[in-house]
Amino acid sequence: KNEVEQSPQNLTAQEGEFITINCSYSVGISALHWLQQHPGGGIVSLFMLSSGKKKHGRLIATINIQEKHSSLHITASHPRDSAVYICAVPLLASGSRLTFGEGTQLTVNP
Amino acid sequence: GAGVSQSPSNKVTEKGKDVELRCDPISGHTALYWYRQRLGQGLEFLIYFQGNSAPDKSGLPSDRFSAERTGESVSTLTIQRTQQEDSAVYLCASSLAAERSDTQYFGPGTRLTVL
Repeated sequence: KNEVEQSPQNLTAQEGEFITINCSYSVGISALHWLQQHPGGGIVSLFMLSSGKKKHGRLIATINIQEKHSSLHITASHPRDSAVYICAVPLLASGSRLTFGEGTQLTVNP
Repeated sequence: GAGVSQSPSNKVTEKGKDVELRCDPISGHTALYWYRQRLGQGLEFLIYFQGNSAPDKSGLPSDRFSAERTGESVSTLTIQRTQQEDSAVYLCASSLAAERSDTQYFGPGTRLTVL
């Protein structure tokens, strides 16, 4: 079992739909990162959160430390949101190095 | 300001040759990380540097892989006697420090193809 699991692996949506991507982890963490990987391969850090909720534009990330679960939401999705979304955690036993989920491939159709 | 840069952006090499990949972190960032992403797979940790501390090399897949960092600046990842399974995108990231809560900023990656 992976220490970080994401679901779904693939997600196809119509423009305007509300998107939810989930991340579960099995060990203690101090913070969780959501990353976006563009089709060309570049990675951008979207959020780093350790509790509650953060919002940036149409993106919202939530985390429940007790339940070891985080969600990334995209409101009013747009084709330019199409990318791979990756959940990553610095496991407490491994310092600050990140352990990554397998990623969720999101495709938003016009 | 400038982000993390990596060079080359693409590298094609023949099996058995050595390659060097370079990473320039964001100025002032003391922590530097190397990750690898093989085709169709997730990211995996290779090595990280924090200031003058001994690097965490626990992710290096074999002794053919090594990395160096000059102070708190440039890092080079060297792969000796490359194999086809080394083909991947090699990503470098840096952060202000090696705190678990620090944001890591990623470079564009080097796509390595071993023929």
